[in-house]
Amino acid sequence: DIQMTQSPSTLSASVGDRVTITCRASQSISSWLAWYQQKPGKAPKLLMYKASTLESGVPSRFSGSGSGTEFTLTISSLQPDDFAIYFCQQYSSYSPEYLFTFGPGTKVEIK
Amino acid sequence: QLHLHESGPGLVRPSEILSLTCTVSGDSIRSNGYYWGWIRQPPGKGQEWIGSIHSTGSTYYNPSLKSRVTISVDTSKKQFSLKLSSVTAADTAVYYCARQSIDVGAINPWGQGTLVTVSS
Repeated sequence: DIQMTQSPSTLSASVGDRVTITCRASQSISSWLAWYQQKPGKAPKLLMYKASTLESGVPSRFSGSGSGTEFTLTISSLQPDDFAIYFCQQYSSYSPEYLFTFGPGTKVEIK
Repeated sequence: QLHLHESGPGLVRPSEILSLTCTVSGDSIRSNGYYWGWIRQPPGKGQEWIGSIHSTGSTYYNPSLKSRVTISVDTSKKQFSLKLSSVTAADTAVYYCARQSIDVGAINPWGQGTLVTVSS
């Protein structure tokens, strides 16, 4: 099965900081990676899909990169609304018994 | 605008069956380009994919839950359902239903989620 890891698990930052979160897959997933933002008590919100495509309506300060096994989500200038948990998710169409696997999440907190 | 809403009991007794229904509004559940699926999040933990179904009836389940899970779809009612048998306290979680894109491999939107507690 495909395992997803993220680093760091917690990130302390200030408004205006550039923030980068890394997601790694245990085997190559090409560009089949999505990123989500989740706030307490709320459903996750899709930010990015196919590693680097910004979902409609998501601010352009969010960007994604990577392919294969290593991916990054970058927030260019952290805003007050961005303090949340971010997690990645892989999609495996060729191995449907592991269709979706999620990373454990990275909490972005106020420094 | 597509909207998904989970419904079902918030408390289930150990060893019994957890049953949830997701009602879809705002779009067709028959769209070929999507799976309809269930994801759960135990308290304080990350997300776990439970399984997915296509409108044709094809199903895919997480191997760790496969022996206990059944997902079905009723296109006439625009609903899909989850049944998880022989539940234990470890199945306590917020359960989300969601639309899952085959083309881009992303999950969007998610329902609001419903907390199911397994306890006697």
